[in-house]
Amino acid sequence: KQEVTQIPAALSVPEGENLVLNCSFTDSAIYNLQWFRQDPGKGLTSLLLIQSSQREQTSGRLNASLDKSSGRSTLYIAASQPGDSATYLCAVKAGAAGKSTFGDGTTLTVKP
Amino acid sequence: SQTIHQWPATLVQPVGSPLSLECTVEGTSNPNLYWYRQAAGRGLQLLFYSVGIGQISSEVPQNLSASRPQDRQFILSSKKLLLSDSGFYLCAWSAGQSTEAFFGQGTRLTVV
Repeated sequence: KQEVTQIPAALSVPEGENLVLNCSFTDSAIYNLQWFRQDPGKGLTSLLLIQSSQREQTSGRLNASLDKSSGRSTLYIAASQPGDSATYLCAVKAGAAGKSTFGDGTTLTVKP
Repeated sequence: SQTIHQWPATLVQPVGSPLSLECTVEGTSNPNLYWYRQAAGRGLQLLFYSVGIGQISSEVPQNLSASRPQDRQFILSSKKLLLSDSGFYLCAWSAGQSTEAFFGQGTRLTVV
């Protein structure tokens, strides 16, 4: 059974810092890994999708990497801003019908 | 472009009452559809998924059921709600088993 772990559970940083969020998974037989952002009481916004054959994806200040063999992904946020404050979730997609397994998320607070 | 609609946004229901949450997708055909539940401060747990009309797979035994009466419509139901059914329910779709997942804005259900 696939298990996804995100570390740390919470992170507080001053504005302008670069930071890294970690995601690990136990079964490397995945189709892709997706990073999401969730604001309080809201749905999920897709940030980056990395297919299993890819090593990294970039969008603006965000960079996500994938090491499928070791079961790890990182989300790098450059020059953090207060508007980046949210919960970040990673999910791996695998198996019949492409079911996604989620980690519990990292709650990020960026202080002005 | 594709969009996903989920309603209602919030719902307060008494114990023992029925439930019907609806999700519709626009702009695509034969999507994979998913219902997830999110407990407070946790990741998402897959409840049901569907790869076609009338095809429903359940991931977790529970007090809920799902139906897909039309290609782009996914309904989550209960005949009698329990207090433990409270949570944040999210509908999602993807074009295939290995493609990106997109989420609705969620329904906050409180059973009182």
